[in-house]
Amino acid sequence: KNQVEQSPQSLIILEGKNCTLQCNYTVSPFSNLRWYKQDTGRGPVSLTIMTFSENTKSNGRYTATLDADTKQSSLHITASQLSDSASYICVVRKAGGSYIPTFGRGTSLIVHP
Amino acid sequence: SQTIHQWPATLVQPVGSPLSLECTVEGTSNPNLYWYRQAAGRGLQLLFYSVGIGQISSEVPQNLSASRPQDRQFILSSKKLLLSDSGFYLCAWSVGQGGETQYFGPGTRLLVL
Repeated sequence: KNQVEQSPQSLIILEGKNCTLQCNYTVSPFSNLRWYKQDTGRGPVSLTIMTFSENTKSNGRYTATLDADTKQSSLHITASQLSDSASYICVVRKAGGSYIPTFGRGTSLIVHP
Repeated sequence: SQTIHQWPATLVQPVGSPLSLECTVEGTSNPNLYWYRQAAGRGLQLLFYSVGIGQISSEVPQNLSASRPQDRQFILSSKKLLLSDSGFYLCAWSVGQGGETQYFGPGTRLLVL
């Protein structure tokens, strides 16, 4: 069964600190992996996309890594800001032109001043 | 540029009443369209997707239905709402044959009482 598991379920950090969110998947064959940020009451917005051959991709203070061998990805947030408080969702697509991605349940991040 | 609209933004409906949520996309042609539901503290659940006018694929059997009367219009309906239909409903669009980024609308918050 194709699954995407995220950890931790929730995380509270102080403003200015770094944090790392984890995503493990069993989706196969693999096409790509995306990290989305979802602010409360809003739709998710794509942060990064990584394909099989990519190990690291950055978007400002967000850096995503991918290990396709172990089927693991991480999202590292540097120098967190209050506006980083949101749910971060890992989404994996299966190769073969599937229209249906597999979503993780997300990690809820709260950044305190 | 492309934009996606959803309405209404919030809705409170009694059990057994009908439902109609509308989603429209501007600035693109022949998009793939999706309806998701997100229950409190849960991940995104794909309900329906459509790759063209009149083409609807259902992922979860339930008392909801979807229609695509025009290229850039996607409607989610129910004849009789259940308490369990409460949640955050998100419409999304993408273009391509799979593997592409999905762009989400602002969502509709539905509360069934």
